[in-house]
Amino acid sequence: LAKTTQPISMDSYEGQEVNITCSHNNIATNDYITWYQQFPSQGPRFIIQGYKTKVTNEVASLFIPADRKSSTLSLPRVSLSDTAVYYCLVEGGGATNKLIFGTGTLLAVQP
Amino acid sequence: EAGVTQFPSHSVIEKGQTVTLRCDPISGHDNLYWYRRVMGKEIKFLLHFVKESKQDESGMPNNRFLAERTGGTYSTLKVQPAELEDSGVYFCASSQARAGDYGYTFGSGTRLTVV
Repeated sequence: LAKTTQPISMDSYEGQEVNITCSHNNIATNDYITWYQQFPSQGPRFIIQGYKTKVTNEVASLFIPADRKSSTLSLPRVSLSDTAVYYCLVEGGGATNKLIFGTGTLLAVQP
Repeated sequence: EAGVTQFPSHSVIEKGQTVTLRCDPISGHDNLYWYRRVMGKEIKFLLHFVKESKQDESGMPNNRFLAERTGGTYSTLKVQPAELEDSGVYFCASSQARAGDYGYTFGSGTRLTVV
């Protein structure tokens, strides 16, 4: 499974748009890019998944360039409750594979 | 739909004792996973059940850890005897491979402290 690299931490203010970029240079052809969010004392929670181009849901957008060697999670107008650790994972899709977690990005949203 | 439930949420035991963690996956999910995060480290895969069968147990640290999933429903993870380095948060996740549904659902974890 491809290894991912992302910033260890980021700071933002309420109402701002936050973009977290993840590198996955060794992504395989059949791999999907998935982002999870984790609050303290909770397990990771699925946010969004994509294969290429752009995916948007009610929580976030995911931008994936043509070479798929990186991806950017975009959180519009963050609030204090978006303070969490965000994990970028590369996996084979189909929800039947073990997940390889990296260090994640700790996003701290300030008032 | 009910989420993935883990019990207990916290456990403090002495070195050498036995602890059993339980995970109730989402009903109907064939895939069940155990993960662990020890202090300061990343979340690591332990093993994967498909129904009652162990699909992949490559992440199990040693033979002090025993996971079971009798009947393909809930799962238990027993640590016997527990050592100090077993302290951490143990997460369970479940999933069901279906077209258009690729998310894993995690439980809130069991925080195990071995003293």
